Amino acid sequence: QLQLQESGPGLVKPSVTLSLTCTVSGGSVSSSMSYWDWIRQPPGKGLEWIGTISYSGSTSYNASLKSRVTMSVDTSKNQFSLRLTSVTAADTAVYYCARGLHYGMDVWGQGTTVTVSS
Amino acid sequence: EIVMTQSPATLSVSPGERATLSCRASQSVSSNLAWYQQKPGQAPRLLIYDAFTRAAGIPARFSGSGSGTEFTLTISSLQSEDFAVYYCQQYKIWYTFGQGTKLEIK
Repeated sequence: QLQLQESGPGLVKPSVTLSLTCTVSGGSVSSSMSYWDWIRQPPGKGLEWIGTISYSGSTSYNASLKSRVTMSVDTSKNQFSLRLTSVTAADTAVYYCARGLHYGMDVWGQGTTVTVSS
Repeated sequence: EIVMTQSPATLSVSPGERATLSCRASQSVSSNLAWYQQKPGQAPRLLIYDAFTRAAGIPARFSGSGSGTEFTLTISSLQSEDFAVYYCQQYKIWYTFGQGTKLEIK
């Protein structure tokens, strides 16, 4: 059974780069059938798609975040990652990783809370 | 960007009754529409995809309909575990989510 687990710092200071990792178990990040997504949810608000990466490393990002986002995949560790530069308080959110298929996101991690504060 | 608008923001329904949630797209998404359920402190769960196909393990009381720009999620007989926030999502052009409908107990 495919499972995803996010990891990263719970607290970061403004202007730094946030780095999060999603570890895939029970399946392979190299699967050609899957895409891998990051989604975030600010406190008390809705869901925002951040970006998608394929097993081959091709990426697509939300236009509103594109200048600050980089996603990568590490097949040797069965992980994929998110980097978000120049964070502000507006980036405070629960960050989820998920598996994307052609019909939506069917497996999600439990989420990791990131707070941006000095 | 395709904007997804859900209505109502909050829906109060009694257990055992039917709930109808709406989602509108700013342009046609064909049938590239999914519905998710999210309970407090949990990740979203995929309920419906391709506008009307139930995901694995989803009870038959959940049904989806619509195409183009207008979509509906219907829960035929509400159970206690169904009270949650529901999001629609288009995947015609990448992904955008609606702002959510909170389904609460009346």
